[in-house]
Amino acid sequence: GDSVTQMEGPVTLSEEAFLTINCTYTATGYPSLFWYVQYPGEGLQLLLKATKADDKGSNKGFEATYRKETTSFHLEKGSVQVSDSAVYFCALSYGGATNKLIFGTGTLLAVQP
Amino acid sequence: GAGVSQSPSNKVTEKGKDVELRCDPISGHTALYWYRQSLGQGLEFLIYFQGNSAPDKSGLPSDRFSAERTGGSVSTLTIQRTQQEDSAVYLCASSSSGTATDTQYFGPGTRLTVL
Repeated sequence: GDSVTQMEGPVTLSEEAFLTINCTYTATGYPSLFWYVQYPGEGLQLLLKATKADDKGSNKGFEATYRKETTSFHLEKGSVQVSDSAVYFCALSYGGATNKLIFGTGTLLAVQP
Repeated sequence: GAGVSQSPSNKVTEKGKDVELRCDPISGHTALYWYRQSLGQGLEFLIYFQGNSAPDKSGLPSDRFSAERTGGSVSTLTIQRTQQEDSAVYLCASSSSGTATDTQYFGPGTRLTVL
């Protein structure tokens, strides 16, 4: 079945460091791909998305490119801040009759000043 | 405008009792989803409503779980004869339609603790 695999956390970085959180997926079709973020004490919110191969999603300095050939959607940011500390979830969805999000296990990012 | 709201924010119940969790989606959103977030299982899909179509119940873990959506708006998730393994945060989300490109907007969740 369809699934999403994320790198294990926690990821601990110093402020201004480069961030990569790996995400790969297994899919029978051509899903849309998402990164959701959960800040401490807050609900899940969409960070960025890409709906077809080679699309790049971006928001708040974060980027991810939909790579069909490697079935990946890695999250990157050039310079992290303490305020980026959160749990990041990679997810996929097909829409239609089964428009559910299938999530990875989440990756905790801790950014130290 | 107002986001997705859920009530109660916390619910503590005894094993064997029934509970009802409520979700108010964003006004005008035709699609509504329930998910569960627990330490052992991560984020799991439970059920999906889209307009007047039959709901996708494929994620409900047992027949003790059921959900309704009245008038295409408010939804209630009911868990009968609760068990300790039902303890989790129950999340509701809504989107403007049921397409894969839609953003799902999540509520703050209901934390259920079964003693």
